[in-house]
Amino acid sequence: AQSVAQPEDQVNVAEGNPLTVKCTYSVSGNPYLFWYVQYPNRGLQFLLKYITGDNLVKGSYGFEAEFNKSQTSFHLKKPSALVSDSALYFCAVRDDYGQNFVFGPGTRLSVLP
Amino acid sequence: EPEVTQTPSHQVTQMGQEVILRCVPISNHLYFYWYRQILGQKVEFLVSFYNNEISEKSEIFDDQFSVERPDGSNFTLKIRSTKLEDSAMYFCASSGLASEQFFGPGTRLTVL
Repeated sequence: AQSVAQPEDQVNVAEGNPLTVKCTYSVSGNPYLFWYVQYPNRGLQFLLKYITGDNLVKGSYGFEAEFNKSQTSFHLKKPSALVSDSALYFCAVRDDYGQNFVFGPGTRLSVLP
Repeated sequence: EPEVTQTPSHQVTQMGQEVILRCVPISNHLYFYWYRQILGQKVEFLVSFYNNEISEKSEIFDDQFSVERPDGSNFTLKIRSTKLEDSAMYFCASSGLASEQFFGPGTRLTVL
């Protein structure tokens, strides 16, 4: 069965500094990995995905994520954080046997001005 | 840009009452899902639906829950007899084959 861990409940970073939100996963087959962002009182918005190909994936709003198969990680990164990036971030995984996603518990990112 | 829509945005009901939450998935998508989220916490999978039948469901999705795609466009979640602990945000999502899931804005269910 798939599982996702996001080891940090909360990440604080100063505006303009680089940010990293961590995600590790476990799947039985090939992983399909996703990042979503949730702003207050809103639904989940898709940021980026890794299916196959380059390990560095670029997505919306300047975010990128690096797939590391040996460490089973898919950390979300951004070179320069904005206050408007403050939100709840969810990592999700599915394997190549099915369509169902498993979401991590979420990491709350606060970007301080 | 196509999007998933959900109605109502907020539903208040009395314990024991039936509620139906409605979703209109993206039109060419094949897979449909319901999730719930309690107080901005973890997103919990409820059920997935494909080819007019449930393909997978979680332990949360007990006999009080049912899903239906009555007319080829709407996708509904029914809770037959609501409990206080059913209070949550309910999100509908849809996806194509091997693609990301697109989420609706959610319905906030409050059970009194």
